[in-house]
Amino acid sequence: GAGVSQSPSNKVTEKGKDVELRCDPISGHTALYWYRQSLGQGLEFLIYFQGNSAPDKSGLPSDRFSAERTGGSVSTLTIQRTQQEDSAVYLCASSLADANTEAFFGQGTRLTVV
Amino acid sequence: AQSVTQLGSHVSVSEGALVLLRCNYSSSVPPYLFWYVQYPNQGLQLLLKYTTGATLVKGINGFEAEFKKSETSFHLTKPSAHMSDAAEYFCAVSAIRGGSSNTGKLIFGQGTTLQVKP
Repeated sequence: GAGVSQSPSNKVTEKGKDVELRCDPISGHTALYWYRQSLGQGLEFLIYFQGNSAPDKSGLPSDRFSAERTGGSVSTLTIQRTQQEDSAVYLCASSLADANTEAFFGQGTRLTVV
Repeated sequence: AQSVTQLGSHVSVSEGALVLLRCNYSSSVPPYLFWYVQYPNQGLQLLLKYTTGATLVKGINGFEAEFKKSETSFHLTKPSAHMSDAAEYFCAVSAIRGGSSNTGKLIFGQGTTLQVKP
């Protein structure tokens, strides 16, 4: 596609359930990032994939959060045993390899945990 | 560790007035700096970036920013605000790996909401 695609756009889940959020990056982009945007917290980095290198997981807030990127393309962010504090907009971005290139963001998945 | 501070979570200007959104950063190496804009219910869009070279950077929609190393600042300006500029603006610095090289990972400021009054 022309841009970064995220699905679903909205997700309401019950506390304690697991959720999977999907990101389709721009074709040819080797770098993929997940960020979380929540009220009062701004934009927080979660995880970063760059080519075949080991992902930078330094931003994942707990071991309930995990992400994978299959075949260097699509990525899935999984949140296990969701809590109310996980409610936020989860943004995915992709870019070419170089650090000075633009990161293109998807429209995000709004997660609400009830 | 790098950080970004945006002064003022909310800025209000009249249509046609100067827009000034402030951003200060902390980085141990020459930084890569970015401004992104987020319109309601949309993702982030790059306005402009500074990596190397000319310190005055021009972006889309008439915005520009100047990298001032001595002040560790990267303030965003636009001479004349338009109603369509109302949005949230984020300043960001690229994270450093190995103490010396920039990466594509971004560290964002808290954001500034720009309100434009008619």
